[in-house]
Amino acid sequence: EVQLVQSGAEVKKPGESLKISCKGSGYSFTSYWIGWVRQMPGKGLEWMGIIYPGDSDTRYSPSFQGQVTISADKSISTAYLQWSSLKASDTAMYYCARHFSGIQPNDYWGQGTLVTVSS
Amino acid sequence: QSVLTQPPSVSGAPGQRVTISCTGSSSNIGAGYDVHWYQQLPGTAPKLLIYGNSNRPSGVPDRFSGSKSGTSASLAITGLQAEDEADYYCQSYDSSLRVFGGGTKLTVL
Repeated sequence: EVQLVQSGAEVKKPGESLKISCKGSGYSFTSYWIGWVRQMPGKGLEWMGIIYPGDSDTRYSPSFQGQVTISADKSISTAYLQWSSLKASDTAMYYCARHFSGIQPNDYWGQGTLVTVSS
Repeated sequence: QSVLTQPPSVSGAPGQRVTISCTGSSSNIGAGYDVHWYQQLPGTAPKLLIYGNSNRPSGVPDRFSGSKSGTSASLAITGLQAEDEADYYCQSYDSSLRVFGGGTKLTVL
């Protein structure tokens, strides 16, 4: 069974760093792209970026370039999303989702990680 | 402002048919890129509903259908049920990036 399991909810202060994770199982982790999607409270879905764990090829949406870092450790089938200095505006639900290639659909999604940034 | 435009809300009574539009441009849907649709039930992660403009993944009822023409796509839901109340998002490709529509909230009256 294909699963993407994300790390648990986080509560952080502005300026702190954070790394959340997405662990894939039930499929060849290195053969699918993993993307990260932000959903701010009461708002829609926004693409942040994608990574191909097979060779760590990473691409960012212009809105998120320089704001976050996407990485992966294929030895443990896990992708990451990290911030070096959180802002209150980073408060959101973050989802990971896989797709095979190109414009293929995101057929499996993680359950989401809620990040709350508040002083 | 989303690259793909969806109506913020639609509604319908049980048993009725509703459609949700997704309007793009010549750089995304009109360029021939596929459109996918996702359903997000309250408090849950999005779920793939329609892929490749009109294909249903296994397990998705045939009450859901998708179509694409020119620079737009549509999701149709027939025989509306209370459990269909959710947010619906279209997705396509633009300038080498994946893009979502702004989302449509479906209310079952």
